Amino acid sequence: QQQVKQSPQSLIVQKGGIPIINCAYENTAFDYFPWYQQFPGKGPALLIAIRPDVSEKKEGRFTISFNKSAKQFSLHIMDSQPGDSATYFCAASRPGTYKYIFGTGTRLKVLA
Amino acid sequence: NAGVTQTPKFQVLKTGQSMTLQCAQDMNHNSMYWYRQDPGMGLRLIYYSASEGTTDKGEVPNGYNVSRLNKREFSLRLESAAPSQTSVYFCASSAGGVGEQYFGPGTRLTVT
Repeated sequence: QQQVKQSPQSLIVQKGGIPIINCAYENTAFDYFPWYQQFPGKGPALLIAIRPDVSEKKEGRFTISFNKSAKQFSLHIMDSQPGDSATYFCAASRPGTYKYIFGTGTRLKVLA
Repeated sequence: NAGVTQTPKFQVLKTGQSMTLQCAQDMNHNSMYWYRQDPGMGLRLIYYSASEGTTDKGEVPNGYNVSRLNKREFSLRLESAAPSQTSVYFCASSAGGVGEQYFGPGTRLTVT
């Protein structure tokens, strides 16, 4: 019940493509869903986050889609660029806790 | 404003040796965290400190101890290192509760 399942494990797209990364969870108590971006040799950094009272959130070229009934959420990267090549992690958190449960990560490569 | 700093950046230990990983933040955050990152397994929480003076176990606490020295500093100790502890260790901090976590640059630890 505490797991967050992330797919795919790796993804290669051409420049301008729209990579989509999916995450699924079981625990309906989760109420905060962030995505983190990590470049090689660096720590993860928050990219965008959503709460379950909205179905979509956009920040620049990054969009989270949230399906509460299916207990799934996904990250879409519009007009992807080589500079977006990184590892992306989804996560989930319950209210009243200080902890995230992270997905296993997706390594994205955007070809020039 | 350095954010979250970690020392050392790299370390090689022999089985059975001990060491302490240091973490400090200058953002006046209440909560601090230690994660380990292994290929294909994402980020797993080792210990966290919700506020100064408190520490709690995460998903994978065995073989580790922590100390919240003051509001700024949170250290992770390996008393008797094992090859299974070969990993990249990240410290993070947050203002408290659910919200953005800020990660340090990581410590790459190899235990032979």
